[in-house]
Amino acid sequence: QQQVKQSPQSLIVQKGGISIINCAYENTAFDYFPWYQQFPGKGPALLIAIRPDVSEKKEGRFTISFNKSAKQFSLHIMDSQPGDSATYFCAAGYYNTDKLIFGTGTRLQVFP
Amino acid sequence: DAGITQSPRHKVTETGTPVTLRCHQTENHRYMYWYRQDPGHGLRLIHYSYGVKDTDKGEVSDGYSVSRSKTEDFLLTLESATSSQTSVYFCAISHGTSGSPGELFFGEGSRLTVL
Repeated sequence: QQQVKQSPQSLIVQKGGISIINCAYENTAFDYFPWYQQFPGKGPALLIAIRPDVSEKKEGRFTISFNKSAKQFSLHIMDSQPGDSATYFCAAGYYNTDKLIFGTGTRLQVFP
Repeated sequence: DAGITQSPRHKVTETGTPVTLRCHQTENHRYMYWYRQDPGHGLRLIHYSYGVKDTDKGEVSDGYSVSRSKTEDFLLTLESATSSQTSVYFCAISHGTSGSPGELFFGEGSRLTVL
């Protein structure tokens, strides 16, 4: 199976709070897990990515946590800001190819 | 922003009419893709290209064809549009080189409505 299941579908967080988006994959051969961020009216853009040789990757306020045994990975946004309001897509694929399977997306709204 | 231009950005058409969406890139990237974005489905790959006249099908290719006669242009054609093809279409490009294959650069999308 090639699906990537993403939850929640939508998320409302207050400014300064932590936003958490979860994804689960089925294909144990996948070895590349990026997150894309999409603002209204724009195309998605790569936010952060992880490979399964590490359990966590942090870039600024954004952290990916990866659980290989559970086949799950999640995006944590610390100190969420209104400017983080966007749709977030997780994806999974093979690092040495360009084929990605995308999750269904999570619409994040951060209120002041 | 990556140099990707999609046209038209918005189009309304009727069932049964042909539609062509154009993606133009100025990055000289070899790899180009067409995705569609629908609520509840995320992004799904329609067709992709690894070079001039080198194209292949993605996961949702039925009803679509593509052509790439120049490195910079990738055309998506709906030969006979149906209401199920109402969607937002995104063109993407990538370096296509080992080591950074997963980073896709997306255009701003073309919103197609089929009545």
